[in-house]
Amino acid sequence: AQSVSQHNHHVILSEAASLELGCNYSYGGTVNLFWYVQYPGQHLQLLLKYFSGDPLVKGIKGFEAEFIKSKFSFNLRKPSVQWSDTAEYFCAVTGNTDKLIFGTGTRLQVFP
Amino acid sequence: EPEVTQTPSHQVTQMGQEVILRCVPISNHLYFYWYRQILGQKVEFLVSFYNNEISEKSEIFDDQFSVERPDGSNFTLKIRSTKLEDSAMYFCASSESSSGTQYFGPGTRLLVL
Repeated sequence: AQSVSQHNHHVILSEAASLELGCNYSYGGTVNLFWYVQYPGQHLQLLLKYFSGDPLVKGIKGFEAEFIKSKFSFNLRKPSVQWSDTAEYFCAVTGNTDKLIFGTGTRLQVFP
Repeated sequence: EPEVTQTPSHQVTQMGQEVILRCVPISNHLYFYWYRQILGQKVEFLVSFYNNEISEKSEIFDDQFSVERPDGSNFTLKIRSTKLEDSAMYFCASSESSSGTQYFGPGTRLLVL
């Protein structure tokens, strides 16, 4: 069965620090990969997605993610975080159907 | 920018009661979904809906659950006889195509007492 693992449950950073959030998935077939973000009090929003092509994808607000097929990973990165990046980040995958399988989420706190 | 909306934002109900959660998907979207998130747990897929039919449902989506698109705009999730373990945040989502980006609503927080 498909599953998604996010190993960082809670990350605390100072502003301007670099961010990398891990995401691994298990599925043997072709996958589509997503990172969603949920800012405090708001709904899930798409940060970026990978369907095919260049494995390095760029999303909104300076985020990027790299699909490494051999490692079944899709880690999220940002070179310099801001206080406004404080949120919960969810990695998700779809396989042979369109249902999203989510990871447990990573809570990011950025301090000024 | 078009958004998915959900009502109510919060609902408190007694065990055994029926609840209907409402969603208005983005107007040109054809694919509709319900997910839920029990406090402290993952967001879980419940059901997908296309062309007035359920496309896929999870093990969670048992006979107590049903979905409906009663008119051209609303998409509802009904829980016939709520249980304590149904307490969760319920998210509706919609997309233009089956492999397209799913846009989420703000959720309905359901508390079953």
